[in-house]
Amino acid sequence: AQSVTQLDSQVPVFEEAPVELRCNYSSSVSVYLFWYVQYPNQGLQLLLKYLSGSTLVKGINGFEAEFNKSQTSFHLRKPSVHISDTAEYFCAVMGSGTYKYIFGTGTRLKVLA
Amino acid sequence: GAVVSQHPSRVICKSGTSVKIECRSLDFQATTMFWYRQFPKKSLMLMATSNEGSKATYEQGVEKDKFLINHASLTLSTLTVTSAHPEDSSFYICSARYSSSGNTIYFGEGSWLTVV
Repeated sequence: AQSVTQLDSQVPVFEEAPVELRCNYSSSVSVYLFWYVQYPNQGLQLLLKYLSGSTLVKGINGFEAEFNKSQTSFHLRKPSVHISDTAEYFCAVMGSGTYKYIFGTGTRLKVLA
Repeated sequence: GAVVSQHPSRVICKSGTSVKIECRSLDFQATTMFWYRQFPKKSLMLMATSNEGSKATYEQGVEKDKFLINHASLTLSTLTVTSAHPEDSSFYICSARYSSSGNTIYFGEGSWLTVV
């Protein structure tokens, strides 16, 4: 079984500042990792995903994440945030051989002017 | 490409009635569809997995008689909440994958259900 932990429920940050949203996972099998963004009253949009290969993954809207197997982490980063990045961010894990996503509890990123 | 659409986006129903939510893959054939439920300010909980033409597989704790899932074609899955109660009010999201999409799953816009 897999599980995902997003320790920060809310992260406030000033516009143009860097941000890191933390995600840790546990699994007894190989995993694939994803970050999704959810804007208010909307569905989920894929930001980026790690399936294999390079541990540094670049996604849309200037986001990137680094897969760290030894620390079982997949933290999301952006060097300079915008007001429009204010949203809920979900980390998800999928166990190899399954197509089920297990989601973290989400981190609300609030970008302040 | 790979667009998943849900309908309705918002629905209000009276307690005790049933309501159906549709999930359509617009530009691909969805071999597998998934239904999630999101409680306010909470994460998404997988309810069930459905493969076209077969019965849905429900996650532990999800009442299969209450949440009826049908995946009758490769482009349509429906979730019917039967005898709805206020505690069923939630945001329901479907997702879908096709045979060559690998581990990528595409999400619909979600449907808000309010039971009054």
